Amino acid sequence: DAGVIQSPRHEVTEMGQEVTLRCKPISGHDYLFWYRQTMMRGLELLIYFNNNVPIDDSGMPEDRFSAKMPNASFSTLKIQPSEPRDSAVYFCASAAGPPDGYTFGSGTRLTVV
Amino acid sequence: DAKTTQPPSMDCAEGRAANLPCNHSTISGNEYVYWYRQIHSQGPQYIIHGLKNNETNEMASLIITEDRKSSTLILPHATLRDTAVYYCIWVGGGNMLTFGGGTRLMVKP
Repeated sequence: DAGVIQSPRHEVTEMGQEVTLRCKPISGHDYLFWYRQTMMRGLELLIYFNNNVPIDDSGMPEDRFSAKMPNASFSTLKIQPSEPRDSAVYFCASAAGPPDGYTFGSGTRLTVV
Repeated sequence: DAKTTQPPSMDCAEGRAANLPCNHSTISGNEYVYWYRQIHSQGPQYIIHGLKNNETNEMASLIITEDRKSSTLILPHATLRDTAVYYCIWVGGGNMLTFGGGTRLMVKP
């Protein structure tokens, strides 16, 4: 099992550009989560999906952020337009369902200059 | 809000047991306690979870008090590779893990 796969590992972009982060969950996991981590705010849940349907997006910072899960094996987190304050490490995680634990990916380090 | 209280940092000598405490005084009867750790620059790693009974796996043991208001994660023989931030979490609603500040464990030679 390759685990949760995220791409790219690192992304450097200019302010105002569109950024797309990608995640492939573990096969058979029905839940997918997007988290963001910064030094100031720690790990924050942005949104999560159950069976490809967004369940709670209350953590999404603003309309510049959007997430999709077109099928069970793929999800994207898009930022448009990006701003320097979006610089963070973005993690994707998947889970089979409660009470099983989450498996996290290695993260995408985003730098917006 | 599903809050936990953990000491911000702890030290442990290599080869000794590391005991990491957590208070979760507002937890209710059917909510699990989870422990994760995050080694620098990596994604959080699931360690163990429990409801009422003590649990043990290949990584650690989890001791939950009878009133379920607190728990202790035990790493029986800490190694340098166990240096990480350890998060104690309980799920207050839905299936969402909300991470707090965690305990930064430093294992020293």
